[in-house]
Amino acid sequence: AQSVTQLDSHVSVSEGTPVLLRCNYSSSYSPSLFWYVQHPNKGLQLLLKYTSAATLVKGINGFEAEFKKSETSFHLTKPSAHMSDAAEYFCVAPKNYGGATNKLIFGTGTLLAVQP
Amino acid sequence: DVKVTQSSRYLVKRTGEKVFLECVQDMDHENMFWYRQDPGLGLRLIYFSYDVKMKEKGDIPEGYSVSREKKERFSLILESASTNQTSMYLCASSLPRGRQETQYFGPGTRLLVL
Repeated sequence: AQSVTQLDSHVSVSEGTPVLLRCNYSSSYSPSLFWYVQHPNKGLQLLLKYTSAATLVKGINGFEAEFKKSETSFHLTKPSAHMSDAAEYFCVAPKNYGGATNKLIFGTGTLLAVQP
Repeated sequence: DVKVTQSSRYLVKRTGEKVFLECVQDMDHENMFWYRQDPGLGLRLIYFSYDVKMKEKGDIPEGYSVSREKKERFSLILESASTNQTSMYLCASSLPRGRQETQYFGPGTRLLVL
């Protein structure tokens, strides 16, 4: 069965240091993959999307993610954290069920805290 | 600019009440979705709709129903609210499968059932 696993439920970094949020997926094929961000009391916003065009994907706010098929990973990174990056991050994959609609599988989320 | 709006940000209801959550999108999207979000569980799909008057159950449809009379509006109905339906409810919309899989989300409705 397809699944998306976010390896850390909480990550804490200092402002100005690198961010790494880890995501592994299981699928019998190379899927599309997304990262969404949710700021407190807000809806989810698309951060970036992988669709097999390039393995390194750049998103908004300086985030990027690299698709590694050999490791079945799609980790999210940012070279230098900003206080405004504090939010919850979701790794997401489309569900391959042959239906007419693009259902999604969500990871359980990683809460990123940024310390001053 | 893409916009999905939800009728209420916060809602407090009593057990047994009928509750309506409304969602409107202005992007002419065919697909609309209702999710609930609970700590440690991520987002779980309740119902979705791929066209007007068309709907399909998601992963956790029990205790919920939906209505889609117009393309831009998708309503989630709690027929008889229970305390275990206290949650954050998120609406989303997207183009059809194969065209664009990105889902666009509303700000959410935080429902408390007492």
